[in-house]
Amino acid sequence: KAGVTQTPRYLIKTRGQQVTLSCSPISGHRSVSWYQQTPGQGLQFLFEYFSETQRNKGNFPGRFSGRQFSNSRSEMNVSTLELGDSALYLCASRQDWTSYNEQFFGPGTRLTVL
Amino acid sequence: AQRVTQPEKLLSVFKGAPVELKCNYSYSGSPELFWYVQYSRQRLQLLLRHISRESIKGFTADLNKGETSFHLKKPFAQEEDSAMYYCALSGGSYIPTFGRGTSLIVHP
Repeated sequence: KAGVTQTPRYLIKTRGQQVTLSCSPISGHRSVSWYQQTPGQGLQFLFEYFSETQRNKGNFPGRFSGRQFSNSRSEMNVSTLELGDSALYLCASRQDWTSYNEQFFGPGTRLTVL
Repeated sequence: AQRVTQPEKLLSVFKGAPVELKCNYSYSGSPELFWYVQYSRQRLQLLLRHISRESIKGFTADLNKGETSFHLKKPFAQEEDSAMYYCALSGGSYIPTFGRGTSLIVHP
């Protein structure tokens, strides 16, 4: 089975711009979660989608949004970028959104905001 | 609210020494607990979960509800164990909460 894929792998943007990141889950996985990883804060949960519906949401401002398509692929959008948004954004998929399911992580998208 | 604390940012040991990576959690219900590992230049991956009660790569972790801990242990560390380790909790809301991670360095 192919693993979780994320595109692009690297992005450089300037403050005020917006960005869209993409994630393709493992085949058969219907749940996709997004995380922000920074050296200072570690892994912070952004949101999780299951069957095209947002099931859970972390404590991030409304500039961070996402969506999921019928094929379970997911996109994450960040508008009005700030310097502090520079981070590694990880996507993870699992079969469903119940608590005991293992999450499979993608390689991440490294976003740099200048 | 659920919270996971990994008190050590860095743990440095010599090959063959015992290792214990600490994880304490705060959650009022019955948690599902996991350890994830990230080796250099590799993806974050599941190491073990408490419901499986298994040993992976020589690592074990026991859930202690009284002390609200889920420490990861290995009796004899190997150089290939050097990695970043994250403790994670899933509670009733199913939102996974990760600790900030502990970097384990095993010296030859």
